[in-house]
Amino acid sequence: AQSVTQLGSHVSVSEGALVLLRCNYSSSVPPYLFWYVQYPNQGLQLLLKYTSAATLVKGINGFEAEFKKSETSFHLTKPSAHMSDAAEYFCAVSDARGYGNKLVFGAGTILRVKS
Amino acid sequence: DTEVTQTPKHLVMGMTNKKSLKCEQHMGHRAMYWYKQKAKKPPELMFVYSYEKLSINESVPSRFSPECPNSSLLNLHLHALQPEDSALYLCASSQLAPGADTQYFGPGTRLTVL
Repeated sequence: AQSVTQLGSHVSVSEGALVLLRCNYSSSVPPYLFWYVQYPNQGLQLLLKYTSAATLVKGINGFEAEFKKSETSFHLTKPSAHMSDAAEYFCAVSDARGYGNKLVFGAGTILRVKS
Repeated sequence: DTEVTQTPKHLVMGMTNKKSLKCEQHMGHRAMYWYKQKAKKPPELMFVYSYEKLSINESVPSRFSPECPNSSLLNLHLHALQPEDSALYLCASSQLAPGADTQYFGPGTRLTVL
C-alpha cells in the first residue's frame, strides 16, 4: 500500500525565512504526489503535484517541491515565509485505480510564521 | 472555475435525526468523493463515485448513505449518527484523468452530533 510520512507535526519559522516541510513516500510503483494547504475551518487547496514530467515542481504562492526518487522524498519549500502562509500542509499520494483515485494523506504539518 | 460548493456550512443534529449534506460541482468532473476529517487529523476517504456509480466504499457504516443523482451533484444522507461522527465532511471532485488526477475540494460541512 502507498503511504506518506510527514516529518514534524509543527514547524515554526520567522517571516522572511526559508520554509521546508518534509514528506517521504512509500510506493511500489511510480507515485503521484500532491501537496495541499488547509487554512482553519476551510477545505483543502492544491499547492502543487508531481506528475513525473519534471522533478522540480512549481506551485502557487511561491511554493515548490522536488521529487527525489533516491531519497523517496517530496519536500515542500518556499524561499521566504509570509504571515499568510500560516496553515496546515498535507502531503498526499494517489492510489490511482482508474475508476477513482484514493488520496492517502500524511498526518499534516502545521506551519507557524513568527513576525 | 475550480469550485466545489457544499451546503450547509454547519450542521447540528441529534442522534435520532435524519439530515443530508449536499455537494455540487460544475467543472464537468466525472468522479466525486466524500472525505471525513476529524479534528487535528488528515482527511480519510469514505466514498467515491465515478460516472455516477459508487466505485469505492471504504467500509463506512450504513448510517452514512451516499447518493449521486447526476454528474454534478453528490449527497450524503445521515441517519442515527453517533457523537463520534462529529467531524468536517469534505467533498471533492476530479476529472478521472489518467495519471495525476487532481482532486478539488469544497469548503466542507462542519457536523456536530449531540
